[in-house]
Amino acid sequence: DQQVKQNSPSLSVQEGRISILNCDYTNSMFDYFLWYKKYPAEGPTFLISISSIKDKNEDGRFTVFLNKSAKHLSLHIVPSQPGDSAVYFCAASARMEYGNKLVFGAGTILRVKS
Amino acid sequence: DTGVSQNPRHKITKRGQNVTFRCDPISEHNRLYWYRQTLGQGPEFLTYFQNEAQLEKSRLLSDRFSAERPKGSFSTLEIQRTEQGDSAMYLCASSLVWDRSTYEQYFGPGTRLTVT
Repeated sequence: DQQVKQNSPSLSVQEGRISILNCDYTNSMFDYFLWYKKYPAEGPTFLISISSIKDKNEDGRFTVFLNKSAKHLSLHIVPSQPGDSAVYFCAASARMEYGNKLVFGAGTILRVKS
Repeated sequence: DTGVSQNPRHKITKRGQNVTFRCDPISEHNRLYWYRQTLGQGPEFLTYFQNEAQLEKSRLLSDRFSAERPKGSFSTLEIQRTEQGDSAMYLCASSLVWDRSTYEQYFGPGTRLTVT
């Protein structure tokens, strides 16, 4: 069962425009959400996160929006730059008995064209 | 110390052989995680240590897999009698949990395992 879904395998955006990456989840017990960026041959790099008690978090060009009622979050990148081209993973923090684990979506490949 | 390191970066082995991977977390991080990523998927949780104690294991972690974190520092992940289905990227992550408000984990570059 895929609890975190990224339904768009890829997205292509012109440099300078906005990139919007979407993520849906099914488990209402998730209380913290994260976005990671991954370049080829590297591990995922933490980008931005949001607690379930908030609906928006902003860090420079990156903003994450959370809609709890719809179980949906999105990552906005504006303006998009060619260096943003990477795979973006949405992740949710799931509590275990003694800590938490991250549950990831399958990723969205973002291509920013110059 | 600039981040999580993993060795080797690549491993090619024949089916039935044993392999061992090493992860060095960010120093002072008390939590260490292992994930596995296959092509076209996101990372999937395998197991987790707090200091030297292995506190959680996924059902993905068959009895051919064993992980250790002696003295709460580096960790090793061993796969015995490898199978072709074990081919994947094995990722290690670490975190420092000093309160319950943040859950960021910081990943290493991974070890890519190919079983022939």
